[in-house]
Amino acid sequence: EVQLVESGGGLVKPGGSLRLSCAASGFTFSSYSMNWVRQAPGKGLEWVSSISSSSSYIYYADSVKGRFTISRDNAKNSLYLQMNSLRAEDTAVYYCARPTGADAFDIWGQGTMVTVSS
Amino acid sequence: DIQMTQSPSSVSASVGDRVTITCRASQGISSWLAWYQQKPGKAPKLLIYAASSLQSGVPSRFSGSGSGTDFTLTISSLQPEDFATYYCQQANSFPPYTFGQGTKLEIK
Repeated sequence: EVQLVESGGGLVKPGGSLRLSCAASGFTFSSYSMNWVRQAPGKGLEWVSSISSSSSYIYYADSVKGRFTISRDNAKNSLYLQMNSLRAEDTAVYYCARPTGADAFDIWGQGTMVTVSS
Repeated sequence: DIQMTQSPSSVSASVGDRVTITCRASQGISSWLAWYQQKPGKAPKLLIYAASSLQSGVPSRFSGSGSGTDFTLTISSLQPEDFATYYCQQANSFPPYTFGQGTKLEIK
């Protein structure tokens, strides 16, 4: 079964750090670029970051640039998001998502909740 | 960045109704548009990609159309499990990928 499973979310104080992980299974992880997408409580979807299959190309939303770092380990079939200098507005469910050839996201994880609060 | 605007923001309908949701891009995106369904507490589910291609396993009552700046998602005959929030997403101009604000489909 094709699957993505996120972990690492939790409660963190403003200015703190957190590292999210996404474990992939059931497909050739190293052949796909991967993305993080977030959703604040009661709000819509926001793309956060993307990394190419070989990590050669990395992109960030302006809202997280300079604070978040995406990475991957193809040997471990894993995607990561290092989040530093967290703000209240980063509070959201964070999803990892796999894109199709048409750049639509066909596989999503179940999400992991990040709460930034003092 | 390309802005995606959905209308309506919410709609009430009955089982068996035909429903159309519209998504407009702030500039042309060819056919690089996807539609998702999201139910409370769940991850989004891909319904349509490349504006009109039905994702595998998605019922044929869902269809998508449009190109350039104007797109529609149509549900031909609403079923109880279709009540959810729907999002469009553009993939023509990246980064960033951008989503519409969502359309909540509620039971009348």
